[in-house]
Amino acid sequence: KAGVTQTPRYLIKTRGQQVTLSCSPISGHRSVSWYQQTPGQGLQFLFEYFSETQRNKGNFPGRFSGRQFSNSRSEMNVSTLELGDSALYLCASSPRTSGSSDTQYFGPGTRLTVL
Amino acid sequence: GQSLEQPSEVTAVEGAIVQINCTYQTSGFYGLSWYQQHDGGAPTFLSYNALDGLEETGRFSSFLSRSDSYGYLLLQELQMKDSASYFCAVSRSGSARQLTFGSGTQLTVLP
Repeated sequence: KAGVTQTPRYLIKTRGQQVTLSCSPISGHRSVSWYQQTPGQGLQFLFEYFSETQRNKGNFPGRFSGRQFSNSRSEMNVSTLELGDSALYLCASSPRTSGSSDTQYFGPGTRLTVL
Repeated sequence: GQSLEQPSEVTAVEGAIVQINCTYQTSGFYGLSWYQQHDGGAPTFLSYNALDGLEETGRFSSFLSRSDSYGYLLLQELQMKDSASYFCAVSRSGSARQLTFGSGTQLTVLP
């Protein structure tokens, strides 16, 4: 199976702009989670989507939003970009079976730089 | 809130055994996972513990003590390619896919 894919891989934006990142999960995986990774804060959970519904949300401002489509692909959007939003944004998919020990499979990430 | 502590750096030589510890504080603890991340790469899953005890997967083993809020990752027969960052992460009941990660341990394997 193909792994998790994320597009674009690199992105440069300026403060105040908005950005949309895309994630295609592994075929058959229905849960998509997003994480932000920075040198200062490490890996932080943004949100999880399953069946087109947000299931969990991390402690991020409302400028960070996402959605999931019927084919499980997901997008996240960041509006009014700030310098501190520069980070590696990682998407992870899991099958979300009945158990709670789903392994999460991470994509290569989108490196966002805000100037 | 939740917090995890793990050493920031560990150095070992090829062929050796290294243990990376992780202590956590969280309500509603469900399980402890370990991920490996090479520079510029995606985190990859290594191991998961929900119950006390040892889980073995090839050269990697992971241990959990729920009563001590403590776990560790054991890497045996170290290879140069094991040089990477290793993260422990906790999941909570009701939000299994919301992982809270530790700050990571940079493992350097020397020849």
